[in-house]
Amino acid sequence: DAGVTQSPTHLIKTRGQQVTLRCSPKSGHDTVSWYQQALGQGPQFIFQYYEEEERQRGNFPDRFSGHQFPNYSSELNVNALWLGDSALYLCASSYGQREEVGKQYFGPGTRLTVT
Amino acid sequence: AQRVTQPEKLLSVFKGAPVELKCNYSYSGSPELFWYVQYSRQRLQLLLRHISRESIKGFTADLNKGETSFHLKKPFAQEEDSAMYYCALKTTGGFKTIFGAGTRLFVKA
Repeated sequence: DAGVTQSPTHLIKTRGQQVTLRCSPKSGHDTVSWYQQALGQGPQFIFQYYEEEERQRGNFPDRFSGHQFPNYSSELNVNALWLGDSALYLCASSYGQREEVGKQYFGPGTRLTVT
Repeated sequence: AQRVTQPEKLLSVFKGAPVELKCNYSYSGSPELFWYVQYSRQRLQLLLRHISRESIKGFTADLNKGETSFHLKKPFAQEEDSAMYYCALKTTGGFKTIFGAGTRLFVKA
């Protein structure tokens, strides 16, 4: 089991463009959470997907959207990119039960640079 | 609002010395608390969670609701403990995890 995988590893975009990041959860996990980690900060919760629906959302604008597929993999989309969106984007997977959802397995992250 | 505070950005100790990484939280309910660790060139991974009351790699953490703290402790630090440590909180009934800014632990030989 490769654990949680994310693609791409790095990418560079221009202000105003749109980007899609991808995540495959650990085998057996059905829940995917996305985080943004700015330099020198801890991960910030963007949203969580379970049963193909957004279950909870953090304080991020509607420019950030996501999707979960029937195989539990997920995408994070960011529209109208700002310079401030430059960060490491982390995906974490877990089981969906409330008592297990905090026990998360993280991917290696996607480093997004907006110029 | 829920918040996790790790007051030290960097903590440096000698090998064999005790180590305590501080974590304070702000939440009116009963939280679920975690410590995550990130070793050099590795991904973020769960170290321990308070509901398990377990000791991992010699680390323990006790939830003190009166002081709203969840400090991570180890009696004798090892060089391989050098890493970035994040304290995190999940609210009761919620699915969101809130992370602190992290403390970098450096264990000197």
